[in-house]
Amino acid sequence: ETGVTQTPRHLVMGMTNKKSLKCEQHLGHNAMYWYKQSAKKPLELMFVYSLEERVENNSVPSRFSPECPNSSHLFLHLHTLQPEDSALYLCASSQHDRAYGYTFGSGTRLTVV
Amino acid sequence: GESVGLHLPTLSVQEGDNSIINCAYSNSASDYFIWYKQESGKGPQFIIDIRSNMDKRQGQRVTVLLNKTVKHLSLQIAATQPGDSAVYFCAENISGSGGSNYKLTFGKGTLLTVNP
Repeated sequence: ETGVTQTPRHLVMGMTNKKSLKCEQHLGHNAMYWYKQSAKKPLELMFVYSLEERVENNSVPSRFSPECPNSSHLFLHLHTLQPEDSALYLCASSQHDRAYGYTFGSGTRLTVV
Repeated sequence: GESVGLHLPTLSVQEGDNSIINCAYSNSASDYFIWYKQESGKGPQFIIDIRSNMDKRQGQRVTVLLNKTVKHLSLQIAATQPGDSAVYFCAENISGSGGSNYKLTFGKGTLLTVNP
């Protein structure tokens, strides 16, 4: 474990389902991130939460809805997804004012059918 | 911007050889750099980092070299083992960028294959 725990590790969902991805960090960080990693593409930053406030949303479709109830937990709520949303979703955390110790979770492999 | 469907550079080495993975970073203002290792189906794992006031840093079996003049970063892995097979990518950061201190810019990655 890296100190950032993601659940579930694998998820298969239909296009009409609603599901949530969970991320928890045990590092005392106060910034958390969602990334999307598709095959043969660089990491794509989706959302940034710093001190529990959303500070960045990189033009992500509204079918992805993040939630950060506290500095240790981050969720990504999913609904009405498309097959092209199938990817590895990675959570990361760091201190809000620096990238030192930037740590990733193991990811959730999402397949939309 | 990044292109879609790009092919990763690959490096194939024999077990026991030394590996050198290169990264050209984009922003001359970047002052903090991280190397990550990503095995298939897993998240990126921190390997080693370096600040711009250094040109070399060593870890266990790994060394990172930084050449700010040509904006080049390299990761050297000594005595490469089959377990080192993974995608390696670098990330750059500007620590003094005010509200964006947390931002990392990631390289495309290099696929390292270690042959037994």
